[in-house]
Amino acid sequence: GAVVSQHPSRVICKSGTSVKIECRSLDFQATTMFWYRQFPKQSLMLMATSNEGSKATYEQGVEKDKFLINHASLTLSTLTVTSAHPEDSSFYICSARRKVGDTEAFFGQGTRLTVV
Amino acid sequence: KQEVTQIPAALSVPEGENLVLNCSFTDSAIYNLQWFRQDPGKGLTSLLLIQSSQREQTSGRLNASLDKSSGRSTLYIAASQPGDSATYLCAVNQAGTALIFGKGTTLSVSS
Repeated sequence: GAVVSQHPSRVICKSGTSVKIECRSLDFQATTMFWYRQFPKQSLMLMATSNEGSKATYEQGVEKDKFLINHASLTLSTLTVTSAHPEDSSFYICSARRKVGDTEAFFGQGTRLTVV
Repeated sequence: KQEVTQIPAALSVPEGENLVLNCSFTDSAIYNLQWFRQDPGKGLTSLLLIQSSQREQTSGRLNASLDKSSGRSTLYIAASQPGDSATYLCAVNQAGTALIFGKGTTLSVSS
């Protein structure tokens, strides 16, 4: 159990376009989902926390108008990178937690975004 | 603010060696600590989760210890194999928030 599916695994897009990444909890309901970004040879950095039905909480330095997060249901959260630029190229990964207070989170497979 | 540090950043060993990866964290008020494996270009595979009340966890050739008061954890890999080559990430969980990760140790095991 506790499977998180992330799609797509890889995407290449042109500069200026938008890209949507989906994160689904397949066999559990996730009240909280987290979005991370990982640059080459760096650690995972938290971008935002989203709770089902409410607005996402963004970490300092993350542009909320550029990285749109929607968590409309208990099994799906989406991250949309708007007007992507080459510097947005990175590895994006989501994780999901069953309920508030749970101490274990489960990770998706990640999405490699390349903006050309 | 919690900071997680992993030493060494990279490690190369011949097959068969036992090795230790180190993780330290600045704030001992954690719920748990988790070790992950990440293969190049891939997502995370959870290896071991140690609750704050536990001292160690074992899975196969892997053993993770936790000394919460001193802010340290170690991941011991016995009889290393080329298939163990990957980046190993340590992450701590505080108060139900998102995990805070170290930068990882990249392990290369040669045959």
